Amino acid sequence: KNQVEQSPQSLIILEGKNCTLQCNYTVSPFSNLRWYKQDTGRGPVSLTIMTFSENTKSNGRYTATLDADTKQSSLHITASQLSDSASYICVVSDRGSTLGRLYFGRGTQLTVWP
Amino acid sequence: EADIYQTPRYLVIGTGKKITLECSQTMGHDKMYWYQQDPGMELHLIHYSYGVNSTEKGDLSSESTVSRIRTEHFPLTLESARPSHTSQYLCASSGGSGDGNNQPQHFGDGTRLSIL
Repeated sequence: KNQVEQSPQSLIILEGKNCTLQCNYTVSPFSNLRWYKQDTGRGPVSLTIMTFSENTKSNGRYTATLDADTKQSSLHITASQLSDSASYICVVSDRGSTLGRLYFGRGTQLTVWP
Repeated sequence: EADIYQTPRYLVIGTGKKITLECSQTMGHDKMYWYQQDPGMELHLIHYSYGVNSTEKGDLSSESTVSRIRTEHFPLTLESARPSHTSQYLCASSGGSGDGNNQPQHFGDGTRLSIL
């Protein structure tokens, strides 16, 4: 069964600290893996997209890694800011259809305290 | 910045009413999607469209219907709302030629629907 599991479910850190969010997936055949940030009451916003051949991609203070062999990804946030408080969603796309079906994780709820 | 808009942002309405949730995008994207999201849960695809006059049901069974008469517009309709329809509804679009699978989906800010 194609699934996307994220951990931890929630995380609280102090402003300025770094953190790493995890994503494990069983989706096959794999097309790409995406990380989205969803602020409360808003729609998700794309942070990174990685294909099979990419093992790291950065977007400012966000760095995503992908290990396609172990089917694991991480999102590392450096020097956290209060505005980083949000839900971070891991999404995996398969190659099994023209649409490229997306499998969503439940997200990690990150809270950054001052 | 993505240009995809959803209205209304919030809607509280009684059982049995007909509801239309609006979604418009100004990016000229061919693919559009509707998702349902409950608190703390993953997004579930309920409808999608490859382009004008193309609509398909998603993975999650839904009593709603959609239409795609214009590229930029993808409204979702509930003919008779019920309390079980209470949820957040997110609209998204994606574009690009070739392997569209590697294009990000741009999301609207959602409609939070409450059926009394």
